[in-house]
Amino acid sequence: GAVVSQHPSRVICKSGTSVKIECRSLDFQATTMFWYRQFPKQSLMLMATSNEGSKATYEQGVEKDKFLINHASLTLSTLTVTSAHPEDSSFYICSARDPETGDTGELFFGEGSRLTVL
Amino acid sequence: GQNIDQPTEMTATEGAIVQINCTYQTSGFNGLFWYQQHAGEAPTFLSYNVLDGLEEKGRFSSFLSRSKGYSYLLLKELQMKDSASYLCAVRDSNYQLIWGAGTKLIIKP
Repeated sequence: GAVVSQHPSRVICKSGTSVKIECRSLDFQATTMFWYRQFPKQSLMLMATSNEGSKATYEQGVEKDKFLINHASLTLSTLTVTSAHPEDSSFYICSARDPETGDTGELFFGEGSRLTVL
Repeated sequence: GQNIDQPTEMTATEGAIVQINCTYQTSGFNGLFWYQQHAGEAPTFLSYNVLDGLEEKGRFSSFLSRSKGYSYLLLKELQMKDSASYLCAVRDSNYQLIWGAGTKLIIKP
């Protein structure tokens, strides 16, 4: 199946700093990528849909100025958590669909990035 | 509102069979997915159902009844490595994925 790579897998930062997470589709081109956040023992929460060459679409309640998304190429989307605070500590996961996989539209997920803000 | 319900936790014995249920109420339906998620890892795709009936893939099978808003994931010949969370997700009329909270499956020897 298609491979999505996410980096870094773990990051610890001080409150007030910014953290950038990268998501790459390694063997396919992804015009659209999805960013999720998952708190312990909870479901995946879609934060935003990242569109190559245009602005991301944010879900209700997600601050676009705090969670900056850039999708500059067909294989790379980045999520920057600006001025991070302890409540931003979570598991951030990106995903994408491979157009070649057919009609199922299954998502391929990156490894996830665990952010801990001290 | 849109809602996906699945049990929070289940326990089963190695070598046995377990069925994880999922019921949904969504605005439209364009397919149901099951994903497996090991602790601290990202989800991986298990199955996809868009028509009623049973889809079998090795030890895992997934069933769908659209009229009942119901699906189940059946795991046979359970192995210790099957200990994970199993996420049910429905794609609605806008092709948005609605996720269940996941069922944590604990396998005992």
